[in-house]
Amino acid sequence: GENVEQHPSTLSVQEGDSAVIKCTYSDSASNYFPWYKQELGKGPQLIIDIRSNVGEKKDQRIAVTLNKTAKHFSLHITETQPEDSAVYFCAERDGGATNKLIFGTGTLLAVQP
Amino acid sequence: DAGVIQSPRHEVTEMGQEVTLRCKPISGHNSLFWYRQTMMRGLELLIYFNNNVPIDDSGMPEDRFSAKMPNASFSTLKIQPSEPRDSAVYFCASSLRFGNEKLFFGSGTQLSVL
Repeated sequence: GENVEQHPSTLSVQEGDSAVIKCTYSDSASNYFPWYKQELGKGPQLIIDIRSNVGEKKDQRIAVTLNKTAKHFSLHITETQPEDSAVYFCAERDGGATNKLIFGTGTLLAVQP
Repeated sequence: DAGVIQSPRHEVTEMGQEVTLRCKPISGHNSLFWYRQTMMRGLELLIYFNNNVPIDDSGMPEDRFSAKMPNASFSTLKIQPSEPRDSAVYFCASSLRFGNEKLFFGSGTQLSVL
């Protein structure tokens, strides 16, 4: 069945450094890969997404890359700031018509000032 | 728009009691989702609706769980009877239309069953 593996589960970086979170998926028919950020006490919020016909997408300090052959995609945050500290979830939409998002297990990112 | 509104924010109840969680999706959104979040299992999709009709409830863990969407602006998730293992954060999310992937999440309901 559908499965998304996310690594690492925790990540600590110094302010200004880069952070990279990686996810792998199993459904070759998956065609949409969003990333959500969840701050303490709040619901997840979409920060960036990528579709299967694109290899990379960038939005200011965040970028996502997709390798369809290897079935993995990554979130890159450059010049990290303390407000980037949160839990980040990757997700995939299944390749069928059900509109279901399957989430990874999350990465707790801590940016040390 | 105020976003997706969930109530209550926190619920503490005793085992065996009935629990009802409420959700108001963003006005104009046609799809509504209920997720459960725990440390062990992460974010799990329980059920989702399109135009008030349940489309997929395969994630509902047991018959103790039920969900309804009587109209486009309101949904409930009910647990009867509740058990300690139901303790989790329950999120409601909505999207503009079926097939539109961008989900807008509410702030969640923290449920504790003692």
